[in-house]
Amino acid sequence: AQTVTQSQPEMSVQEAETVTLSCTYDTSESNYYLFWYKQPPSRQMILVIRQEAYKQQNATENRFSVNFQKAAKSFSLKISDSQLGDTAMYFCAFGNEKLTFGTGTRLTIIP
Amino acid sequence: NAGVMQNPRHLVRRRGQEARLRCSPMKGHSHVYWYRQLPEEGLKFMVYLQKENIIDESGMPKERFSAEFPKEGPSILRIQQVVRGDSAAYFCASSPPSGTQNTGELFFGEGSRLTVL
Repeated sequence: AQTVTQSQPEMSVQEAETVTLSCTYDTSESNYYLFWYKQPPSRQMILVIRQEAYKQQNATENRFSVNFQKAAKSFSLKISDSQLGDTAMYFCAFGNEKLTFGTGTRLTIIP
Repeated sequence: NAGVMQNPRHLVRRRGQEARLRCSPMKGHSHVYWYRQLPEEGLKFMVYLQKENIIDESGMPKERFSAEFPKEGPSILRIQQVVRGDSAAYFCASSPPSGTQNTGELFFGEGSRLTVL
């Protein structure tokens, strides 16, 4: 079975600080993608960043970056210079065509 | 390019009634996925469809739930004889055909929130 574990149900950080959200997963597949999605209060699912499992280089999108450790099946998200608009639920997901999601981390940015 | 369109955004049904949720994928996308999100939980996979074919329905409850993606028109998720436990947000997502266009990303609609009284 494919599973995703997000061990931090809630986190909060001061504006402009850096925060890291953890994610581990389990699969027997070798070819897949990994994602972080953001769900703000509007409940829209918004892609934050994606990573191909076959690439060793960690993906980066502006203030967002990942630490992908394939052997450890770990895929953490780092948000630098956090902003109030980053307040949302963050879901880690992986798969190939069909995605499996974690239970989410509720991130609050404190002014 | 319009995104994934879901309707209705909100639906209220009484126990025992039927709920129909519709999803039009992004232009050029041939794969449709339905996910369910219970309050304060993550998204749970329900079903994956391509035009006129159900590819994977391993997440669908065995009874009362069905899904289709006809040759013409939107994908439909149908819930018969709804119960209170069906109250949830139902998200549709789409992706392009397998191949160079497909990056594994799912493009989500805004969800349909079903409330069963």
